[in-house]
Amino acid sequence: DVKVTQSSRYLVKRTGEKVFLECVQDMDHENMFWYRQDPGLGLRLIYFSYDVKMKEKGDIPEGYSVSREKKERFSLILESASTNQTSMYLCASSPVGTVDEQYFGPGTRLTVT
Amino acid sequence: QKEVEQDPGPLSVPEGAIVSLNCTYSNSAFQYFMWYRQYSRKGPELLMYTYSSGNKEDGRFTAQVDKSSKYISLFIRDSQPSDSATYLCAMSPTGGFKTIFGAGTRLFVKA
Repeated sequence: DVKVTQSSRYLVKRTGEKVFLECVQDMDHENMFWYRQDPGLGLRLIYFSYDVKMKEKGDIPEGYSVSREKKERFSLILESASTNQTSMYLCASSPVGTVDEQYFGPGTRLTVT
Repeated sequence: QKEVEQDPGPLSVPEGAIVSLNCTYSNSAFQYFMWYRQYSRKGPELLMYTYSSGNKEDGRFTAQVDKSSKYISLFIRDSQPSDSATYLCAMSPTGGFKTIFGAGTRLFVKA
């Protein structure tokens, strides 16, 4: 079974803090994704990585950056957290050649106060 | 207008009912159509995957794609309380890396 794990289930941070969200997958997938999920808006893509050190911006990259130093690990960084970044953050991975069969982690519920 | 529209529900049905979940879309380039199921406080899991038009069946689940109407459906037969979840439709074009998700429909199946 594909397993995608995220470092925290719940996180509370203060405005202006730098926040790191970690994601690890154990199926040797090339593609990894970071989404945020908000009520009524569905999942929105923040960043996508198709290889180590490679990344592409998604729909809402502003205020976020990513790092992929190893194939199995994809980190999302909030440089200076703001209250409008309070959300559920979901990491996903998929094998090479397909972005459609995505396997998701359990999510991190981030609250910025 | 959103690229993918999905009624948020909630949809409440008795156990054993046939459930119909639907999405409409506007981008005719979409070729891959997926349904994900998301239980409360969990990440989405891929349920059904269809390429282009037609039907696909997997146990109690049937996915239908009508590209001429830009309309996709998921049918659940003999619904069970364990089917209670949020169902997300998703779609993507050929060769793209961006999958567009619907906002999800919350389904409750009452025992």
